[in-house]
Amino acid sequence: AQSVTQLDSHVSVSEGTPVLLRCNYSSSYSPSLFWYVQHPNKGLQLLLKYTSAATLVKGINGFEAEFKKSETSFHLTKPSAHMSDAAEYFCVVTTSGTYKYIFGTGTRLKVLA
Amino acid sequence: ETGVTQTPRHLVMGMTNKKSLKCEQHLGHNAMYWYKQSAKKPLELMFVYNFKEQTENNSVPSRFSPECPNSSHLFLHLHTLQPEDSALYLCASSLGGGPASGTGELFFGEGSRLTVL
Repeated sequence: AQSVTQLDSHVSVSEGTPVLLRCNYSSSYSPSLFWYVQHPNKGLQLLLKYTSAATLVKGINGFEAEFKKSETSFHLTKPSAHMSDAAEYFCVVTTSGTYKYIFGTGTRLKVLA
Repeated sequence: ETGVTQTPRHLVMGMTNKKSLKCEQHLGHNAMYWYKQSAKKPLELMFVYNFKEQTENNSVPSRFSPECPNSSHLFLHLHTLQPEDSALYLCASSLGGGPASGTGELFFGEGSRLTVL
């Protein structure tokens, strides 16, 4: 069985400060992990993905995430928040050979001027 | 342009109406998905099609009827809906999936915002 837990439903940061969005996963098999971003009234856009290659994954817009098997975590970070980063972020887990992508409940990021 | 196009973007319907949502992907993907996104709930998988064949039906009520005529098009036919069916319906596609292939990422459309009165 697979599951994913996003530890914070809301995160607020000031513009120019670091962003940390936390995600823990559970998977019986080697997982593939993704982070998606959703702006209001829009679809979900892929930020980055981990599929058993390098454990530190770089994505678009300066985001990156580190796969830590020992901690079953895949936290999303960005060194300096921008106002345009304000959105909802989803952590997703799946495994090869399945159509089931398990979504977290989302973290809403607020960026303060 | 995401490569996955959904129409209409907004739909208002009464409980006795019949309407359809359409999704089209231009990415050459084999799998297509319908998800429901309601406020304060995780994304719910509704249906999955792989090469036009339905592979997942996540206990969705029969008032939602999917149709996949080919790998590029996916429809969701709606009839006698309830107000609690009001939500954002998201279509997605992926390359791969299934028992013998790697798993690619999902590509999403912009969604169809449905309001049932």
